[in-house]
Amino acid sequence: KAGVTQTPRYLIKTRGQQVTLSCSPISGHRSVSWYQQTPGQGLQFLFEYFSETQRNKGNFPGRFSGRQFSNSRSEMNVSTLELGDSALYLCASSLASGLINEQFFGPGTRLTVL
Amino acid sequence: DQQVKQNSPSLSVQEGRISILNCDYTNSMFDYFLWYKKYPAEGPTFLISISSIKDKNEDGRFTVFLNKSAKHLSLHIVPSQPGDSAVYFCAAGFAGANSKLTFGKGITLSVRP
Repeated sequence: KAGVTQTPRYLIKTRGQQVTLSCSPISGHRSVSWYQQTPGQGLQFLFEYFSETQRNKGNFPGRFSGRQFSNSRSEMNVSTLELGDSALYLCASSLASGLINEQFFGPGTRLTVL
Repeated sequence: DQQVKQNSPSLSVQEGRISILNCDYTNSMFDYFLWYKKYPAEGPTFLISISSIKDKNEDGRFTVFLNKSAKHLSLHIVPSQPGDSAVYFCAAGFAGANSKLTFGKGITLSVRP
């Protein structure tokens, strides 16, 4: 069974631009969560999608948005990029919503904002 | 406000000895706790979890202890192996649906051969 895949793996953008990251969950998984990892803050929850609906949202500004498609693939978008958005963005999938369902993480997308 | 704290950024132990990784939390409503391991250039992988109705959970060389009154949990690795060298994240949340995970900042474990 293929794992969680994220594209692209690396991305360089400049301030003010926008970016779209993609996540393909494990086949059969319907829940996708996004996290931001930075050296100073560790992993911080961005949002979770289940059956194309946002189930939960972390404390990030509205520049961060996401969506989920009918095949459970998910995208997250960051508009008007700031230097502080440089981070590793991780996507995790699970069979269903709820922490008792093990989350499987992808390798992440490393975003650098110049 | 950091609700899950891993106060020691790093730990170094000798191969074969015990590794003890600590984690504290401030939200007494958390009822589900997990540990993840992360190697460079890979996503975190689930290690072990514990529900607040238990105080210990064991899986092979890994044991997690939960002290609810102290709002403290720890991960014990016995015996430690060089392949255990990685960043370990403690995470907490609520067992119900629509819950999000709150992670600590991670501890870098180095196991010396």
